[in-house]
Amino acid sequence: GDSVTQKQGQVTLSEDDFLFINCTYSTTTYPTLLWYVQYLGQGPQLLLKVTTANNKGISRGFEATYDKGTTSFHLQKASVQESDSAVYFCALVEAGNTGKLIFGLGTTLQVQP
Amino acid sequence: NAGVIQTPRHKVTGKGQEATLWCEPISGHSAVFWYRQTIVQGLEFLTYFRNQAPIDDSGMPKERFSAQMPNQSHSTLKIQSTQPQDSAVYLCASSSDSNYAEQFFGPGTRLTVL
Repeated sequence: GDSVTQKQGQVTLSEDDFLFINCTYSTTTYPTLLWYVQYLGQGPQLLLKVTTANNKGISRGFEATYDKGTTSFHLQKASVQESDSAVYFCALVEAGNTGKLIFGLGTTLQVQP
Repeated sequence: NAGVIQTPRHKVTGKGQEATLWCEPISGHSAVFWYRQTIVQGLEFLTYFRNQAPIDDSGMPKERFSAQMPNQSHSTLKIQSTQPQDSAVYLCASSSDSNYAEQFFGPGTRLTVL
């Protein structure tokens, strides 16, 4: 079945550092890919979404590019702030399904001031 | 816009008791989703409704879990005979007709089974 892999469980950075969170996916189609962010005590919220039509998503300084060749959808940000500390989830819409999301296990980002 | 509302925020039950979790989707959204979140398994899909009709319950444990959507303003997830392994945060999300992939999540209900 469809799956999403995030290899980094935790990332610790200092303010203004560059952020890179790895995400790869496995599916039979070209899915819609998403990044969700979850702050402490809240539900996940959509950070950005990319389809095969637009290839790249940018939101709040974060960006992710759809790479069909390597089946990857890495998240990047040039300069992180302490307020970016949260858990980041990569996800895809399951093939043949209009709504079911398959999530990676998440990457906890801690940004030190 | 109040967002997705989930009640209660925390629930503690004894082993073998029943737990009912409530979700009120964003007004006007046609789809409601339930997920379960644990440290070990992460975010797992349970079930979803579209226009109140059950569409996919492939993630629901078959024997003790059930979900309903009696009207467009609320959905319930019921767990009978709760077990310690049911302890998790249960998240409800809703989305609009035009964009099922963009789901708006509630804050979740933390269920603890003693």
